[in-house]
Amino acid sequence: QVQLVESGGGVVQPGRSLRLSCAASGFIFTSYSMHWVRQAPGKGLEWVAVISDDGNYKYYADSVKGRFTISRDKSKNTLFLQMDSLAGEDTAVYYCARASYGHYGGVAWITDVWGQGTTVIVSS
Amino acid sequence: IQMTQSPSSLSASVGDRVTITCQAPQDIGNFLNWYQQKAGEAPKLLVYDASNLEVGVPSRFSGSGSGSEFTFTITSVQPEDFATYYCQHYHYLPPGISFGQGTRLDLK
Repeated sequence: QVQLVESGGGVVQPGRSLRLSCAASGFIFTSYSMHWVRQAPGKGLEWVAVISDDGNYKYYADSVKGRFTISRDKSKNTLFLQMDSLAGEDTAVYYCARASYGHYGGVAWITDVWGQGTTVIVSS
Repeated sequence: IQMTQSPSSLSASVGDRVTITCQAPQDIGNFLNWYQQKAGEAPKLLVYDASNLEVGVPSRFSGSGSGSEFTFTITSVQPEDFATYYCQHYHYLPPGISFGQGTRLDLK
């Protein structure tokens, strides 16, 4: 079945780095744009980044631009989020999501499959 | 782009009809989606491009609107519908996604 499984979350000190992974299965990974979306404790959803199916297009939210890098490895069917210079406001559950519809600017924007999320806590 | 979703919370009984609205600061066409999120779970796509029901979603859910005003309706709330609902706008200039603040639907 179609599945996304995130990993790599944990507790990290401010200023340090962390890399999240999202393992995809049950669908042709190279045919879909992929997103990261986060949710701070008790708060709403915040979009983080997107990467096109071929990896050629990447877009970021202003809040993470220059600090986070999205990438993908087609040989491993895995999406990544490299997070550098982490701060307290980055504390959240991070979800990866597949996008199937709404193609615009080289990527698809409508997310129809989500993982269960991985928790990142930035604290000293 | 700031999406304004209302109300922030809503109480209803099983069988009630409920409506949630989402306003955009400008004309966004039909680039508006609706998601349901239950506690401790990932969001689930219900309606895309304002009025298209995602495959497998019950027909009691619907969306309407275009331009800057959008509506999400549950015609007869079921026990499994108590959750938080988010509108979501995807845009290219600048590229990104904006979520509404969410509407928590709970049992009256």
